[in-house]
Amino acid sequence: QTVVTQEPSFSVSPGGTVTLTCGLSSGSVSTSYYPSWYQQTPGQAPRTLIYSTNTRSSGVPDRFSGSILGNKAALTITGAQADDESDYYCVLYMGRGIWVFGGGTKLTVL
Amino acid sequence: EVQLVQSGAEVKKPGESLKISCKGSGYSFTSYWIGWVRQMPGKGLEWMGIIYPGDSDTRYSPSFQGQVTISADRSISTAYLQWSSLKASDTAMYYCARRAGSTDYYFENWGQGTLVTVSS
Repeated sequence: QTVVTQEPSFSVSPGGTVTLTCGLSSGSVSTSYYPSWYQQTPGQAPRTLIYSTNTRSSGVPDRFSGSILGNKAALTITGAQADDESDYYCVLYMGRGIWVFGGGTKLTVL
Repeated sequence: EVQLVQSGAEVKKPGESLKISCKGSGYSFTSYWIGWVRQMPGKGLEWMGIIYPGDSDTRYSPSFQGQVTISADRSISTAYLQWSSLKASDTAMYYCARRAGSTDYYFENWGQGTLVTVSS
């Protein structure tokens, strides 16, 4: 069973930059997995941030960016703000109509 | 405006059956895949499966195959997630999400979620 890995938690100072990553238990993440990223605050439905590795969804501020770093997908937040404090999930497309979520990263801004 | 509106919260007993719904509007319902995502209390998101309402082609995560059934009724633009015999471990928030397009590999729109509580 493929496991998508994310850091369980991360903290960043207001105005700082943080990079969250999304890897595979076996193998490397490439653009062929069409990595996407979602933000979720408590009690809310997820919000789509980034798709196809590095395309921002409509209305998403440009302080959010996506990339491939080494063998992982990455979400970088530049100039973090207090309301960026959320859970962040990556999703990878495994082919044959199957997707797998990562375990999520709880981001604290302090 | 694309909207996915899910049915309301449910409280059920173990062993009971349940069918929750997700009604799409503002787009051609038959032309976009609809997926289901589970979030157990205090836990992360888990992809369960997906259906193409146009022809009812359905795919399941191996973790959920045989545990739930995903279906759709094109006539009323509604997708469903159902259980034949609920367990306490099915207690969770369930989200439906619309895949952006058949050549896109992400979920663009989300329902508000349906909370399912299974308790004796």
